[in-house]
Amino acid sequence: GQQVMQIPQYQHVQEGEDFTTYCNSSTTLSNIQWYKQRPGGHPVFLIQLVKSGEVKKQKRLTFQFGEAKKNSSLHITATQTTDVGTYFCAGAPMFSGGYNKLIFGAGTRLAVHP
Amino acid sequence: DVKVTQSSRYLVKRTGEKVFLECVQDMDHENMFWYRQDPGLGLRLIYFSYDVKMKEKGDIPEGYSVSREKKERFSLILESASTNQTSMYLCASKPPGANVLTFGAGSRLTVL
Repeated sequence: GQQVMQIPQYQHVQEGEDFTTYCNSSTTLSNIQWYKQRPGGHPVFLIQLVKSGEVKKQKRLTFQFGEAKKNSSLHITATQTTDVGTYFCAGAPMFSGGYNKLIFGAGTRLAVHP
Repeated sequence: DVKVTQSSRYLVKRTGEKVFLECVQDMDHENMFWYRQDPGLGLRLIYFSYDVKMKEKGDIPEGYSVSREKKERFSLILESASTNQTSMYLCASKPPGANVLTFGAGSRLTVL
């Protein structure tokens, strides 16, 4: 079936270091979204990428969508303790039928040590 | 802001019990979803509904059913709970034509 693989599963960094999580889809995507889930919380939408090769920035966060629309990355520059949480990508397959189906990656749990 | 409310944050049930998980959204969204979240597996779609009384199976519907009698309310039902249904259950909604999900706070179910 259609899958979205996300790596790494877990990463711990020292505060101030950079962090990157990667998603790869088994199928071409019409768009990809990123969500953040704080410890004990629920996923909260961060951003959606739609165009091939698109790059978007939110302060220290940089999101990329691959040229083939099958992979994406989230890069955090100079991590802070407030970045702690699990980051999920969610891809919408190009041909998913009557509704905008989202396939979630397994998530990357980020721990930041002060 | 869209608000998605899940009535129970924590539940403990026994094997074989019938379990109801309730979800209410206040923004008149047509589409509502139930996911379960397990470590290392991410979010997996159980069922979704795109209108009142309409429902579609997601990726892991076995052992679950749903009810959507009113637009704002989407219920997940475990007819006979089993220990492998111990999980975090997340309800979400989205408006038509948009792909962004708004999640509820989650219901953590433990089946003993």
